Amino acid sequence: DQQVKQNSPSLSVQEGRISILNCDYTNSMFDYFLWYKKYPAEGPTFLISISSIKDKNEDGRFTVFLNKSAKHLSLHIVPSQPGDSAVYFCAASVDSNYQLIWGAGTKLIIKP
Amino acid sequence: DAGVIQSPRHEVTEMGQEVTLRCKPISGHNSLFWYRQTMMRGLELLIYFNNNVPIDDSGMPEDRFSAKMPNASFSTLKIQPSEPRDSAVYFCASRQGLYGYTFGSGTRLTVV
Repeated sequence: DQQVKQNSPSLSVQEGRISILNCDYTNSMFDYFLWYKKYPAEGPTFLISISSIKDKNEDGRFTVFLNKSAKHLSLHIVPSQPGDSAVYFCAASVDSNYQLIWGAGTKLIIKP
Repeated sequence: DAGVIQSPRHEVTEMGQEVTLRCKPISGHNSLFWYRQTMMRGLELLIYFNNNVPIDDSGMPEDRFSAKMPNASFSTLKIQPSEPRDSAVYFCASRQGLYGYTFGSGTRLTVV
């Protein structure tokens, strides 16, 4: 049973436009959500996170939105740049000491 | 700090052979995780250790897989005997607190 789902295996976006990556979860006990970015031949690296007490967290070009009632979160990248081309993983945790539950990832391709 | 160090970066082996993957976590991190990444399942947690003690190995596919953490600075993941379906990228990660999750660069295993 996949508790964290990223239903889009890939997404292609024009450079300069907005990229929106989606993530759905089933466990209402999750209260920390994170996005990781992965380049080929490298391990995932932390990008941005959000706690369940918030519905939005912004860091430069990256914004994560959380809709608890819909059990949905999204990552917005504005404007998209070629260096944003990577695989993006959504992850969730019950609390700060618990292991992360990962989505399958979405490959983002930024077209010049 | 050099980050999480994994070796080897690439491993090609014949079916039936024993394979040992190695990981050196970040000094001071008290949790260590072994993940496997495949196209079909994304990032799968195989096992994790807390203070060198295995906490959850429910993700280990079968008895052919074993992991050890003899001390705080070293862990191994062993596959014996290896099979072609074990071909994947294996990641090690360590953390101190939720946001301190750091991945190594991974070992790409190919079993022929």
